Amino acid sequence: DTAVSQTPKYLVTQMGNDKSIKCEQNLGHDTMYWYKQDSKKFLKIMFSYNNKELIINETVPNRFSPKSPDKAHLNLHINSLELGDSAVYFCASSQDFPDTQYFGPGTRLTVL
Amino acid sequence: AQTVTQSQPEMSVQEAETVTLSCTYDTSESNYYLFWYKQPPSRQMILVIRQEAYKQQNATENRFSVNFQKAAKSFSLKISDSQLGDTAMYFCSTRIQGAQKLVFGQGTRLTINP
Repeated sequence: DTAVSQTPKYLVTQMGNDKSIKCEQNLGHDTMYWYKQDSKKFLKIMFSYNNKELIINETVPNRFSPKSPDKAHLNLHINSLELGDSAVYFCASSQDFPDTQYFGPGTRLTVL
Repeated sequence: AQTVTQSQPEMSVQEAETVTLSCTYDTSESNYYLFWYKQPPSRQMILVIRQEAYKQQNATENRFSVNFQKAAKSFSLKISDSQLGDTAMYFCSTRIQGAQKLVFGQGTRLTINP
């Protein structure tokens, strides 16, 4: 009965590859997010979707493409992975403002 | 633009002591919300406490309470009777009304020693 789940939890890949991270929430929330946490633990939003529509795109390289097939899912696809993409990626969801954002367990991406 | 600053990169206290984590923020908005999140070694982000800026009363959740000073734009977290399980990174964050994102501080690594 996990509220926000992400797969995989760990991802190790070579530079130049394409990879996807999946996120699902069973809370019935309308809004979902992707955050990136770098090696210094700094957390920054990447994208926000409300009811499958893109609301926020925070100057993320276009190698990153979010996809929301329905409001319970928000996947993140990354093309041509670079060393600097190594980080922990968190998915989160919330109902309408100002509800709390609930975070998934994170996906640690390591690019070699 | 909103910014959040946590000036204490690391703190360490003995079990059962009280500890206060500092946070200051900058916003030109009048309606906003403030949060403290905890990230234990398991990496999971867990909401600790939330404060609505329009409310005068400081939020409290069991051993966790805040000291919200709106004019000073300060939002500190007090943990009473600290426990070993409180060991974690703590992040202060803010969200303005209508915005679909949280802005986070740099985090404070808190260690509770036995």
